[in-house]
Amino acid sequence: EAGVVQSPRYKIIEKKQPVAFWCNPISGHNTLYWYRQNLGQGPELLIRYENEEAVDDSQLPKDRFSAERLKGVDSTLKIQPAELGDSAVYLCASSLVLEDTQYFGPGTRLTVL
Amino acid sequence: KNQVEQSPQSLIILEGKNCTLQCNYTVSPFSNLRWYKQDTGRGPVSLTIMTFSENTKSNGRYTATLDADTKQSSLHITASQLSDSASYICVVSEDNAGNMLTFGGGTRLMVKP
Repeated sequence: EAGVVQSPRYKIIEKKQPVAFWCNPISGHNTLYWYRQNLGQGPELLIRYENEEAVDDSQLPKDRFSAERLKGVDSTLKIQPAELGDSAVYLCASSLVLEDTQYFGPGTRLTVL
Repeated sequence: KNQVEQSPQSLIILEGKNCTLQCNYTVSPFSNLRWYKQDTGRGPVSLTIMTFSENTKSNGRYTATLDADTKQSSLHITASQLSDSASYICVVSEDNAGNMLTFGGGTRLMVKP
């Protein structure tokens, strides 16, 4: 069974440029999460989807970050414009609605110059 | 504020030796506690999950303990292998659906030959 797929794996951009990350969750998983992980720290939740509905986006910096999950499957996370402090690994995870285990993708490492 | 503190931040041991990682939490209410292993450049992978009533749980050479009274958990690695080199993250959940998670900062373990 395929795990959570993310792309790209690495992205280097200059500040003020836009960037987008893509996530394909495990088939059948209704809950999708986006996390940001800074070096040497644990992941921090940005947004959680139940199907296509964003049910927790309290930690998402809405002035520059946006996310969508059309049709309740794939999801994209966008940053526009990117800032130096956005450099981090962006992890996507998915789980069944009532099931506890979150399965993480490999992440996208973003470097903002 | 819910917090999960892990110690040590980093640890170096020789191959074949045992080690113990610590996790203290202040999360309330408490549903369960997970230990994740995160290899460099990869997403976290769940090792064990423990609920309030469980004191110990093993997964191969990994044994997790939980003291819900003192709000402490430990992850013991027996006969370490080079492949155990990774970050180990303690995650505490507030609800049964696993959607209210507090992540620790992780312990970076390096196993040397």
